[in-house]
Amino acid sequence: GDSVTQMEGPVTLSEEAFLTINCTYTATGYPSLFWYVQYPGEGLQLLLKATKADDKGSNKGFEATYRKETTSFHLEKGSVQVSDSAVYFCALSRGNKLVFGAGTILRVKS
Amino acid sequence: GAVVSQHPSRVICKSGTSVKIECRSLDFQATTMFWYRQFPKQSLMLMATSNEGSKATYEQGVEKDKFLINHASLTLSTLTVTSAHPEDSSFYICSAIGGNTEAFFGQGTRLTVV
Repeated sequence: GDSVTQMEGPVTLSEEAFLTINCTYTATGYPSLFWYVQYPGEGLQLLLKATKADDKGSNKGFEATYRKETTSFHLEKGSVQVSDSAVYFCALSRGNKLVFGAGTILRVKS
Repeated sequence: GAVVSQHPSRVICKSGTSVKIECRSLDFQATTMFWYRQFPKQSLMLMATSNEGSKATYEQGVEKDKFLINHASLTLSTLTVTSAHPEDSSFYICSAIGGNTEAFFGQGTRLTVV
């Protein structure tokens, strides 16, 4: 069945460091891919998405490119801030259902 | 963005009792709502999908008699954990879809059964 694998955390970075959180997926066909973020005490929020191969999703300085050949959707940000500390979930959609990765905790130190 | 409110955010109950969790879409009509469960350091696992006015569709392995889902209106779905046991302790999250296909999530409910 469909599945999503994310790098294990926590990931701890200093402010202004470069961020990469790896995400790979297994699915039949070409699902849409998403990154969700969960800030402490809040619900999940859609961060960015891509609906087809080679699409790049971007939001708030974060980017991810839908790579069909490597079945990946890695999340990147050039310069993280303390306010980016949160849990990040990679997900794919099958119809209107979402399949999530385990989540990666990001901690940014000032 | 749209707001989905989940209540309560935390609940502790005694083993054998039932607990109800509410999920409300505050500013849109949710034709479909989803209930997820998250174990520590694991993915959110879809438990069931509910459409307003019809019976919920449960994922394989989810006991429908234990996790009762009601979606009686376009803004409210409830999940009732019946005869709760310590192994039911988990983080439960709802999401809702309205006119477009973007899913909006509640803040989650931490259930602890003692």
